[in-house]
Amino acid sequence: DVKVTQSSRYLVKRTGEKVFLECVQDMDHENMFWYRQDPGLGLRLIYFSYDVKMKEKGDIPEGYSVSREKKERFSLILESASTNQTSMYLCASTAANTGELFFGEGSRLTVL
Amino acid sequence: RKEVEQDPGPFNVPEGATVAFNCTYSNSASQSFFWYRQDCRKEPKLLMSVYSSGNEDGRFTAQLNRASQYISLLIRDSKLSDSATYLCVVNVWKKSSGDKLTFGTGTRLAVRP
Repeated sequence: DVKVTQSSRYLVKRTGEKVFLECVQDMDHENMFWYRQDPGLGLRLIYFSYDVKMKEKGDIPEGYSVSREKKERFSLILESASTNQTSMYLCASTAANTGELFFGEGSRLTVL
Repeated sequence: RKEVEQDPGPFNVPEGATVAFNCTYSNSASQSFFWYRQDCRKEPKLLMSVYSSGNEDGRFTAQLNRASQYISLLIRDSKLSDSATYLCVVNVWKKSSGDKLTFGTGTRLAVRP
């Protein structure tokens, strides 16, 4: 069974803290994505990556960075968390040119 | 203008009804198109791809109109289990950056007995 695993389902952090969200996929997919989902705004793309060490800004990259040191792992980093980054974060992967995204279960982050 | 736009709904329909959703996209370079379904508190899952010739999967029919830059999803004979949010997804592929999949905000469907 194919799987995308996100390291934490729920996190509570304080303003200014550094936050790491980890995502691992076992399908040997080239593409990996980080989205955030907020009520009324849908899924918005933060960053994506089509290969190891490659990264591209999505539609809302401000306040975030990413790391892809290995094909199976794509990490999202909040250097200094702010309250407006409270959200559900969804990681996904897909094989090139297929459009079928496989999602992790999501990480709900609350920044106080 | 948003890259992918959908009517948020909710669409509230009785069982057995036919319901249609539309989605418009702004980037004419978009190459591939999809409908996803998301149940409450769950991750999105692929429902079907959308082809220019139109495609059908049981009670679901998807259409693409490239000239007008819109995608549609038709659900016939609605079931209670069809209640969910339906997300339109557009892919722009570039050699320099790979696939970029952008979601619409979703259209909520509620099917009542």
